[in-house]
Amino acid sequence: GAVVSQHPSRVICKSGTSVKIECRSLDFQATTMFWYRQFPKKSLMLMATSNEGSKATYEQGVEKDKFLINHASLTLSTLTVTSAHPEDSSFYICSAHKSTSGDTDTQYFGPGTRLTVL
Amino acid sequence: KQEVTQIPAALSVPEGENLVLNCSFTDSAIYNLQWFRQDPGKGLTSLLLIQSSQREQTSGRLNASLDKSSGRSTLYIAASQPGDSATYLCAVSNSGYALNFGKGTSLLVTP
Repeated sequence: GAVVSQHPSRVICKSGTSVKIECRSLDFQATTMFWYRQFPKKSLMLMATSNEGSKATYEQGVEKDKFLINHASLTLSTLTVTSAHPEDSSFYICSAHKSTSGDTDTQYFGPGTRLTVL
Repeated sequence: KQEVTQIPAALSVPEGENLVLNCSFTDSAIYNLQWFRQDPGKGLTSLLLIQSSQREQTSGRLNASLDKSSGRSTLYIAASQPGDSATYLCAVSNSGYALNFGKGTSLLVTP
């Protein structure tokens, strides 16, 4: 199977601080990773597409200076929430797109990170 | 912009019942459609993936159908069990990459 991990699983921080969330594909290479955000009782909303070695593509309405994405290797993408505020509290989930031709259509999701900003 | 709607929002059934979850989407030019399961506070588990050229996929007690022209998909769960209790999410891809999710159906199967 294909496993994606996220770290940390849960983080609580003070308003104004920055928080980094890691997304790793453990047993496959992922040239493309996606970051989603989920509010309570709401659907997952795509925030950005993270491409290895290039700049991320952000969805409309997502502040790229606030949500910094780095995809420095084929197995790691990071999302940094800068100067976090209580309204940034949410469940953040990443997914990784497997790069092999035999399984091009499946995204594998991480377990999510619960961010609470006090 | 692709809009994905899931009905019902919540469903409670006694153990053993067969049930159907519904998903509709506004843009029929999809690449594929996936059904996921999400347990409270957890990530997503992919259940079934249907390519745009396919009509249905089956895995164990689960069967998902796709009617692209009408913009609909259903997830059929046979002989439901308490362990099936979770939120079921439908997601559509127009490009083969990013997914557009519905809000999910929260399922409770009572013993």
